[in-house]
Amino acid sequence: DTAVSQTPKYLVTQMGNDKSIKCEQNLGHDTMYWYKQDSKKFLKIMFSYNNKELIINETVPNRFSPKSPDKAHLNLHINSLELGDSAVYFCASSPGLLSGNTIYFGEGSWLTVV
Amino acid sequence: RKEVEQDPGPFNVPEGATVAFNCTYSNSASQSFFWYRQDCRKEPKLLMSVYSSGNEDGRFTAQLNRASQYISLLIRDSKLSDSATYLCVVNSPTSGTYKYIFGTGTRLKVLA
Repeated sequence: DTAVSQTPKYLVTQMGNDKSIKCEQNLGHDTMYWYKQDSKKFLKIMFSYNNKELIINETVPNRFSPKSPDKAHLNLHINSLELGDSAVYFCASSPGLLSGNTIYFGEGSWLTVV
Repeated sequence: RKEVEQDPGPFNVPEGATVAFNCTYSNSASQSFFWYRQDCRKEPKLLMSVYSSGNEDGRFTAQLNRASQYISLLIRDSKLSDSATYLCVVNSPTSGTYKYIFGTGTRLKVLA
């Protein structure tokens, strides 16, 4: 069983559309994240949730809205997609907020906006 | 200054060579440190945590120097399968919580 799973893996969509990426973890972790990896391969945190509560929001445009219905799920909805949103979006989880915990990643969602 | 900096490489080394990567971080309050490996079109995966006293896992040795704020990764007897991007990760305090900050990665190519 995949520990952190996200869908879809590949998504090609037109500018202006709205799309969602879903993420689920079966590790029993309290903390979940969304990271964005751009064309330069830089992996940057977008959001962090702990037990369904938003902990970190890294000055991401309002068009990006995360939702955590329970601590095993963290979905990402993107409104009015722009060309610059094309990237790989990684969901991740860790046991909790304490330093020293290992972070585990999903396989990534490749988003291409045309 | 970036919060976590790495030389992007690529480092091209022959099989069997020893190669070392360094990574510097800016926040002296950073608590924990990791090396992750990312293969092409794959997710990052934990290679090893980095402990204050240094630690070894087979051919891989990680070191932490808190005074100079850098961590290092040494790979001995390089294998073709070691070709990947190595990401330095620092867990730093921010606004009452902790944040995992990734370096841009160092690309390694091991050549036959």
